[in-house]
Amino acid sequence: QAGLTQPPSVSKGLRQTATLTCTGNSFNVGNQGAAWLQQHQGRPPKLLSYRNTNRPSGISERFSASWSGNTASLTITGLQSEDEADYYCSAWDSSLGARVFGEGTKLTVL
Amino acid sequence: EVQLLESGGGLVQPGGSLRLSCAASGFIFSSYDMAWVRQAPGGGLEWVSSIATTGGWIFYADSVKGRFTISRDNSKNTLFLQMNSLRAEDTALYYCTNVPDLDYWGRGTLVTVSS
Repeated sequence: QAGLTQPPSVSKGLRQTATLTCTGNSFNVGNQGAAWLQQHQGRPPKLLSYRNTNRPSGISERFSASWSGNTASLTITGLQSEDEADYYCSAWDSSLGARVFGEGTKLTVL
Repeated sequence: EVQLLESGGGLVQPGGSLRLSCAASGFIFSSYDMAWVRQAPGGGLEWVSSIATTGGWIFYADSVKGRFTISRDNSKNTLFLQMNSLRAEDTALYYCTNVPDLDYWGRGTLVTVSS
């Protein structure tokens, strides 16, 4: 099943802003937007944003999600060293009858 | 506190079977659609299967269709994944999570398919 497209890696400096993208089609991201997950090495994924833009309690306001057309975005402001992790997007694909994930973006904070 | 505890993983030969369990606590399990998601060593997240609150609908990834069966026992707050005809490419850490919001995750159980 086709997944969502994410850039493999993004590098930004400390205190800078990073914007991660997730591109799908009209049956997945374009239909319902995407959720965003953060995963540190050796840890389970952690939800950052669900139902397009909602942020779970306890998630820093530095993380914000948006959605336009077939592309979802996650913006992280004031980058900190602990933001260095893998980031995944996910959406339900109504044509496939399947949940799809992006391949993940490895964020490096320089 | 919400907890999802996966178990049942292990080393199995190609063609073998395993049954994974996910014990839930700290939330009303019967009110949540649930799913299994796996992650191959060094790889990304891959959705495996989802099940509705009462089992009214079930979906599978093409890669496991016909080999894996998802089920749940709401009286025991437990999600299951019966895995048959296992292949080397099924080797992964298997997580359970709630869908569509993906806000609860266990630590996973490792399945290794190798001779």
